[in-house]
Amino acid sequence: NAGVMQNPRHLVRRRGQEARLRCSPMKGHSHVYWYRQLPEEGLKFMVYLQKENIIDESGMPKERFSAEFPKEGPSILRIQQVVRGDSAAYFCASSPSTSGNTIYFGEGSWLTVV
Amino acid sequence: GQNIDQPTEMTATEGAIVQINCTYQTSGFNGLFWYQQHAGEAPTFLSYNVLDGLEEKGRFSSFLSRSKGYSYLLLKELQMKDSASYLCAVNPLDSNYQLIWGAGTKLIIKP
Repeated sequence: NAGVMQNPRHLVRRRGQEARLRCSPMKGHSHVYWYRQLPEEGLKFMVYLQKENIIDESGMPKERFSAEFPKEGPSILRIQQVVRGDSAAYFCASSPSTSGNTIYFGEGSWLTVV
Repeated sequence: GQNIDQPTEMTATEGAIVQINCTYQTSGFNGLFWYQQHAGEAPTFLSYNVLDGLEEKGRFSSFLSRSKGYSYLLLKELQMKDSASYLCAVNPLDSNYQLIWGAGTKLIIKP
């Protein structure tokens, strides 16, 4: 049973470019969460999605950031016109439900904006 | 509001015992998690406490006291591979999926 799969693991983008991060949840999991971790800081919730639905995007910046979880394929976190402050580790996690279940993390995608 | 506090860094000796504390100010929560995170890697689940008391799992134990707003993670027989950050997180009552995270405690194990 494969775990949560994220790609790319490392991504370098110049300021103004777009970054696209992918996440395939664990088999049987229909709930996906994206977290951002800045250097030396804890994880910050960004967005919670179920298939074809954004349930809660309260932690995601209103501009330049978007997320989707289509019916087919992985969840995608998209950052447009990246800035240096977007450099961080982006973790995807999944769970089978939302009722106190453990969430399982992917290995993370490290974005570096130069 | 919700606030979670953990010491920034701790140092301990191989073979010893260390206790990592987590205090929180929150109106209520479903449960409290502990995760381990090695540098450059994803957090991995250690424990989930819902009820007050001590939950033991091998070398690691986690304790929760809701009345005191306090939890700790106890690591016994420390090994060099235990050098990592330990993250405390709560699952708030008003959101059964969000986790509110502490900044983590970096644990350094010395031989």
